[in-house]
Amino acid sequence: QKEVEQNSGPLSVPEGAIASLNCTYSDRGSQSFFWYRQYSGKSPELIMSIYSNGDKEDGRFTAQLNKASQYVSLLIRDSQPSDSATYLCAVDENTDKLIFGTGTRLQVFP
Amino acid sequence: DTGVSQNPRHKITKRGQNVTFRCDPISEHNRLYWYRQTLGQGPEFLTYFQNEAQLEKSRLLSDRFSAERPKGSFSTLEIQRTEQGDSAMYLCASSLSQDQPQHFGDGTRLSIL
Repeated sequence: QKEVEQNSGPLSVPEGAIASLNCTYSDRGSQSFFWYRQYSGKSPELIMSIYSNGDKEDGRFTAQLNKASQYVSLLIRDSQPSDSATYLCAVDENTDKLIFGTGTRLQVFP
Repeated sequence: DTGVSQNPRHKITKRGQNVTFRCDPISEHNRLYWYRQTLGQGPEFLTYFQNEAQLEKSRLLSDRFSAERPKGSFSTLEIQRTEQGDSAMYLCASSLSQDQPQHFGDGTRLSIL
């Protein structure tokens, strides 16, 4: 079992819709969770960090964390074509390094 | 805040040559990380520093790889006797402290001929 799992996609949504990206992790001791956006050929860009159970909102983005279910998600409201990218889920297993999933490719079509 | 800076952006070299990459972290960040990313995969951890101390190295980091951060500021990653399998994007990230978000540089793309 991979430590951090994501559906590789592509996830296709129409412009203006809500995109829902999901991630599961295996280490129950994990404390810190991050979502990064990566455009093709570019480096990862931090979008959200979340440390406690519940929801955290920042603009059009909402991160959700459920430690009991070992599940973290990212919702993107009012999706735009510019949101088309690969979204990487990263988990800090209390070991000072990030464990990344393989990423979910999101396509937002006009 | 000028962000994390990596040089060079691209490196093409022949198999067997040595290469060195440089990373300048965000100025107040005392933690510096190196990752490697291949196509279709997420970044994989290689090593990290707190100030000048190298605190952990991944099993991915063979004895051909060495990293330094001599004065706790910039860091270098050297690969000796490069192999085809070393072709990847090498990413550097820095953070203010443990558990704080890591911010990535633009990466160095290494191609081995």
